[in-house]
Amino acid sequence: GDSVTQTEGLVTLTEGLPVMLNCTYQSTYSPFLFWYVQHLNEAPKLLLKSFTDNKRPEHQGFHATLHKSSSSFHLQKSSAQLSDSALYYCALSSNTNKVVFGTGTRLQVLP
Amino acid sequence: ETAVFQTPNYHVTQVGNEVSFNCKQTLGHDTMYWYKQDSKKLLKIMFSYNNKQLIVNETVPRRFSPQSSDKAHLNLRIKSVEPEDSAVYLCASSRDWGDTQYFGPGTRLLVL
Repeated sequence: GDSVTQTEGLVTLTEGLPVMLNCTYQSTYSPFLFWYVQHLNEAPKLLLKSFTDNKRPEHQGFHATLHKSSSSFHLQKSSAQLSDSALYYCALSSNTNKVVFGTGTRLQVLP
Repeated sequence: ETAVFQTPNYHVTQVGNEVSFNCKQTLGHDTMYWYKQDSKKLLKIMFSYNNKQLIVNETVPRRFSPQSSDKAHLNLRIKSVEPEDSAVYLCASSRDWGDTQYFGPGTRLLVL
């Protein structure tokens, strides 16, 4: 069945350092992949969505590349900001009526 | 700008009571979802409706039931709540099934 794996529960790093949050998936069909971000006491909201034409989506300095060969959609940013501290969910949707969220990775950026 | 509205924000009740949560979206989307977010922040889809038809119904307890009057509204009813139902219930909508989802602010349920 479809699944999403986020291996890190908590990532702590210092402001200005690069960010990489891991996301791998399993799906029978070619799914869409998403990154959602949830700040404290807020609702989740879309950060990035994969494209069908292998373009790399970018938003607010974050980017992610869909690698079908390794079934990955890792989230990256070159320089972390304090305001990036939040909970990040990787998710997929497939044409088999499946929507699956990963367990989430909490990013904590320290000054 | 909020486009997915949920009421109430917070609800405290006792074991065995019935509760209903409301959700309305003003985006003109065709699909709506209900999620449960537990204390560990795990996000689990419970139901989704596409044009008033239930298309995904995860193995949730039978005391949970979705109720929809039109494609802009999807309510959640829980008959006879139990302590493990304490969580945040998030409503979301998307233009089409599996597309980008827009979440409401959530309803926090506490069962005593």
